[in-house]
Amino acid sequence: QKEVEQNSGPLSVPEGAIASLNCTYSDRGSQSFFWYRQYSGKSPELIMSIYSNGDKEDGRFTAQLNKASQYVSLLIRDSQPSDSATYLCAVPRGGGSQGNLIFGKGTKLSVKP
Amino acid sequence: SAVISQKPSRDICQRGTSLTIQCQVDSQVTMMFWYRQQPGQSLTLIATANQGSEATYESGFVIDKFPISRPNLTFSTLTVSNMSPEDSSIYLCSVVYTDTQYFGPGTRLTVL
Repeated sequence: QKEVEQNSGPLSVPEGAIASLNCTYSDRGSQSFFWYRQYSGKSPELIMSIYSNGDKEDGRFTAQLNKASQYVSLLIRDSQPSDSATYLCAVPRGGGSQGNLIFGKGTKLSVKP
Repeated sequence: SAVISQKPSRDICQRGTSLTIQCQVDSQVTMMFWYRQQPGQSLTLIATANQGSEATYESGFVIDKFPISRPNLTFSTLTVSNMSPEDSSIYLCSVVYTDTQYFGPGTRLTVL
């Protein structure tokens, strides 16, 4: 049974701080990893994808992947109140690319002004 | 990007009835995906809908309960049949377009 695990939070950080969101996965064969942001009452939107070990940066967001430890994280620098949302980690089922995704339960982030 | 619309956006239904949810995407896509998000939970894939063939269902989901149609490359429907309160959930349509997965706005279903 493939699983994706996340701390449910809530994670509370002050405005301007770095928010660190963590995710572990059980399938060693996984090759693609995705972070989605879901605002309350809205549908998820893709914010980061990562395929190789190491860091990938996009603006204030950095995804970090460690396949040996089966661990992927998302760092949000200079956190803003508008970043307050639930962040979902997702891994494709069966070694695919996207579409058929296994989601973690999400970490709720609250950024306090 | 791909823009996805769903109808209805929400509904309240009686136990034992059925509801059909429509999903329309503004671009042609090979596969469409139906997910469920139960209250306080994450997303779970129900099935993958391919145009011209039967849908592929994930473990725990069956065609009799969740029949799916995919008449063309921009449209799909999901029916929730013989509903019970346990079917109360948000149902989301999703597509992969230009290497990005997009989700529709969801249909919030409450079964009494």
